Amino acid sequence: EAGVAQSPRYKIIEKRQSVAFWCNPISGHATLYWYQQILGQGPKLLIQFQNNGVVDDSQLPKDRFSAERLKGVDSTLKIQPAKLEDSAVYLCASSLSSISGNTIYFGEGSWLTVV
Amino acid sequence: GNSVTQMEGPVTLSEEAFLTINCTYTATGYPSLFWYVQYPGEGLQLLLKATKADDKGSNKGFEATYRKETTSFHLEKGSVQVSDSAVYFCALTTTGNQFYFGTGTSLTVIP
Repeated sequence: EAGVAQSPRYKIIEKRQSVAFWCNPISGHATLYWYQQILGQGPKLLIQFQNNGVVDDSQLPKDRFSAERLKGVDSTLKIQPAKLEDSAVYLCASSLSSISGNTIYFGEGSWLTVV
Repeated sequence: GNSVTQMEGPVTLSEEAFLTINCTYTATGYPSLFWYVQYPGEGLQLLLKATKADDKGSNKGFEATYRKETTSFHLEKGSVQVSDSAVYFCALTTTGNQFYFGTGTSLTVIP
């Protein structure tokens, strides 16, 4: 079974530029998550989708971050304009459903460096 | 609110030593508890989980028991190997399968 796919793996941009990350979840997984992981910290939830609807985006900095999951499958996370503090690994994850206790499966992450 | 507190790292052990990484939680309702592991340059992988009180999760020689009375889910392994060197994250989920992660504990095992 194919895992969660993410691209690009690495990106370096200048501050105030924009960047987009793409995620393809495990086939059949209705719930998709985007996490931000800053070096030395645990993952922080940015947004959670159930199919193509948003379940939780309370920690998404909506002035610069946006995410969509059209057709309930692939998802894109965009940052515009980027700040230095956005340097982090952006992890996409998916689970079969949003029933508590469902294991979430992570992709390898997209490493962003803002200079 | 919901939160997870993990033992501060880094932890350095000799091969074949006993490992304990402490994890305590605060949660509303009845959470499920998880341990994830992150090897260098990779994403997080599920190590083990427990979905109700007194359940024991186990995998690859690692174990953790869901203790509701002490709100804990400590990770243990009887004999660590060099290949266990990684960062370990404790996590919980509640309603809606929203995950809350601890800050991670880095483990280095030396031969």
